[in-house]
Amino acid sequence: SQKIEQNSEALNIQEGKTATLTCNYTNYSPAYLQWYRQDPGRGPVFLLLIRENEKEKRKERLKVTFDTTLKQSLFHITASQPADSATYLCALRVGRGSTLGRLYFGRGTQLTVWP
Amino acid sequence: GAGVSQSPSNKVTEKGKDVELRCDPISGHTALYWYRQRLGQGLEFLIYFQGNSAPDKSGLPSDRFSAERTGESVSTLTIQRTQQEDSAVYLCASSFPLAGGGEQFFGPGTRLTVL
Repeated sequence: SQKIEQNSEALNIQEGKTATLTCNYTNYSPAYLQWYRQDPGRGPVFLLLIRENEKEKRKERLKVTFDTTLKQSLFHITASQPADSATYLCALRVGRGSTLGRLYFGRGTQLTVWP
Repeated sequence: GAGVSQSPSNKVTEKGKDVELRCDPISGHTALYWYRQRLGQGLEFLIYFQGNSAPDKSGLPSDRFSAERTGESVSTLTIQRTQQEDSAVYLCASSFPLAGGGEQFFGPGTRLTVL
């Protein structure tokens, strides 16, 4: 069966450290992998997207890697801040071509950055 | 406004009543999605509309759930004969029409409480 697993439901780190979140999947061949941030009481907000033929993407303090052999994506937040505390969701899009198809979401990892 | 809007923001209803939830996507987004998120849980896909194509209804949990979309604009999600297990936040998202990863823009959600 198809699965998306995100590491441990909760991750607690100290301010200034690098947070690393993991997304593993089975039985998918995603064309794209996306990461979203969700704060309590709000809808998810898109952060980064990486394509199947890309190994790494960066945006400010964020870095995403994508290993289609391992079927894994790593999401890094460097120099983490308490304001980074939120739930982070990974999502796969398997559709290719001009039609988007749906996204398949993981359950999320709750990150807490303490001062 | 510039974002996805949903109404009502909160809805309290009695078991057995029908409810209708509304989503206004971003103008120009032909793809529209509905998700359900129970307290402390991940996103559960419900239905996906893409332009004039037949909707992907594979996530609807029962025949009490239905959704419609008027052209490429407003969508309504209807839940008939509500049950207590329908209590959740219902999120709507929209995307640009063409391939490119399909970054989703989420609305704030409608919190449904079935008494």
